[in-house]
Amino acid sequence: DAGITQSPRYKITETGRQVTLMCHQTWSHSYMFWYRQDLGHGLRLIYYSAAADITDKGEVPDGYVVSRSKTENFPLTLESATRSQTSVYFCASSEGGEQYFGPGTRLTVT
Amino acid sequence: AQSVTQPDIHITVSEGASLELRCNYSYGATPYLFWYVQSPGQGLQLLLKYFSGDTLVQGIKGFEAEFKRSQSSFNLRKPSVHWSDAAEYFCAVGPGGFQKLVFGTGTRLLVSP
Repeated sequence: DAGITQSPRYKITETGRQVTLMCHQTWSHSYMFWYRQDLGHGLRLIYYSAAADITDKGEVPDGYVVSRSKTENFPLTLESATRSQTSVYFCASSEGGEQYFGPGTRLTVT
Repeated sequence: AQSVTQPDIHITVSEGASLELRCNYSYGATPYLFWYVQSPGQGLQLLLKYFSGDTLVQGIKGFEAEFKRSQSSFNLRKPSVHWSDAAEYFCAVGPGGFQKLVFGTGTRLLVSP
């Protein structure tokens, strides 16, 4: 099915563990984005990518790593998860002015 | 730095009544402007966008928004709200386009019968 998917949808992990959130889009959009959504903050941009092998920091990149070896995939890795990274994470892709969002991953760090 | 303000955290509207959600932005030039809607447990869906031209923009689901440069505002309106419109609404600004959007904190719309 075409679109943008995220996996897992729900994840519970412990402090200090490495976690990777996956994002896959079927449109071959050039741009992809990772946001986190927290109460009182709306959505904040973590990282974005303009094309394969091109990534750049957003507003809140600390503690996160991204890669983009293929146009359709944009994984987000928390190298050593902290409780402050408990959030809902949204991936989005874009081409020509509209960002299309995935369904989100709810991550809880205990 | 660019910022977006949505002054209303919650709004309750009766079904059939009109709706206006406020959005103000801080930016030197005219940015790209967006309104997104998020239903519970879902991702965000674009309602409408403004890049240039006519300052009254029509969107999906009967929504419209008006860009007012003098007030740095981009308020969202709907003449008659339906129960299915209950959701969270986000205003977003793209200072240099759509690549790096800055979102407001959102307004949660409740629709009463």
